[in-house]
Amino acid sequence: DAGVIQSPRHEVTEMGQEVTLRCKPISGHDYLFWYRQTMMRGLELLIYFNNNVPIDDSGMPEDRFSAKMPNASFSTLKIQPSEPRDSAVYFCASSFGQGDSPLHFGNGTRLTVT
Amino acid sequence: AQTVTQSQPEMSVQEAETVTLSCTYDTSESDYYLFWYKQPPSRQMILVIRQEAYKQQNATENRFSVNFQKAAKSFSLKISDSQLGDAAMYFCAYRSVPKTYNTGKLIFGQGTTLQVKP
Repeated sequence: DAGVIQSPRHEVTEMGQEVTLRCKPISGHDYLFWYRQTMMRGLELLIYFNNNVPIDDSGMPEDRFSAKMPNASFSTLKIQPSEPRDSAVYFCASSFGQGDSPLHFGNGTRLTVT
Repeated sequence: AQTVTQSQPEMSVQEAETVTLSCTYDTSESDYYLFWYKQPPSRQMILVIRQEAYKQQNATENRFSVNFQKAAKSFSLKISDSQLGDAAMYFCAYRSVPKTYNTGKLIFGQGTTLQVKP
């Protein structure tokens, strides 16, 4: 299995632009998570899906952030408009089932907003 | 709400020696899962070891073992015979036992950066 695939690996954009991050979970996994990692705040859960349905989006910082999962093999995280404080590494992770099932992480997208 | 605390921002160990990374957590739940993840400079998050709270026996994976003290809400990671490839940031994480379809988030500590000296 190729693992969780995220694209792009790096993204540099100007403030005010729209940014779309993409994720392909491991086939057969029914949970998908979006995390953000910064030096100041560590790893924060933004949102997660179960069977393509958003379950908890309480970590989404504000309305500029939105996430979708149109099918079991694809999810997007969109920031519009982007701001410099959105600069971070964004991780997508997937798991099969609940509880002690480990999360499998993608390699992350490093976003820089200038 | 559950919280996870790693009080050691940085640790260092001599190659071939043993090091212990600390983690404490706060929860009112009686059943849950605990994890240690490793993040090397490549930034890939790698599962190191996991522990079910209802199991009294400490989990072990090769050179990695945990000391799980449920009453103290402590979950430390011991790395034996440290190798240069163990240098990374280590994250402790907590996950609730799901009671409904809401599986429970994986909540991370702030991380501990481990340096391995040759």
